[in-house]
Amino acid sequence: KQEVTQIPAALSVPEGENLVLNCSFTDSAIYNLQWFRQDPGKGLTSLLLIQSSQREQTSGRLNASLDKSSGRSTLYIAASQPGDSATYLCAVRPMNSGYSTLTFGKGTMLLVSP
Amino acid sequence: GAVVSQHPSRVICKSGTSVKIECRSLDFQATTMFWYRQFPKKSLMLMATSNEGSKATYEQGVEKDKFLINHASLTLSTLTVTSAHPEDSSFYICSASPDTLYGYTFGSGTRLTVV
Repeated sequence: KQEVTQIPAALSVPEGENLVLNCSFTDSAIYNLQWFRQDPGKGLTSLLLIQSSQREQTSGRLNASLDKSSGRSTLYIAASQPGDSATYLCAVRPMNSGYSTLTFGKGTMLLVSP
Repeated sequence: GAVVSQHPSRVICKSGTSVKIECRSLDFQATTMFWYRQFPKKSLMLMATSNEGSKATYEQGVEKDKFLINHASLTLSTLTVTSAHPEDSSFYICSASPDTLYGYTFGSGTRLTVV
């Protein structure tokens, strides 16, 4: 059974710092890995999608890497801002069936203080 | 592309009544949609997989008679919370994906409060 773990569970940093969020998964048979952001009381916003054949994806100040063989992904946030405060979720799409649902980690709650 | 719309965003209902939540894929066809429930400060919990033209698949512990799912078209799935009770109060979110090359898109969620 696929399990996804995110470390740390919570992170508090001052504005401007670069930071790394970690995600690990137990089964490397995945279609892709997705990083999401969730603000309190809101739905999930997709940040980056990495296909299983890719090593990394970048969007603005965000960079996500994927090492499928070791079951790891990292989300790098450069020059953090208070607006980055949210819960970040990592999820993998298992390869066991075409429309299989995502398996989520429990998230990292990020607080960026001014 | 790959937009999922969920409605309503908030609903308050009285105990014993039923509430319907809609999930629409706006720019793609979705033969499968997923319904999640989220408790405060907790991770998403998959409730059921909605299949167009056939019965939904419910996760263990989810009452199918309490949470009715209908997926009558390729762009619409509905979740009806029947005979709602205060313990059904929660945040409900749907998601869908065009195919395996795309990521999943989530609706904006529905905050249900049963009084």
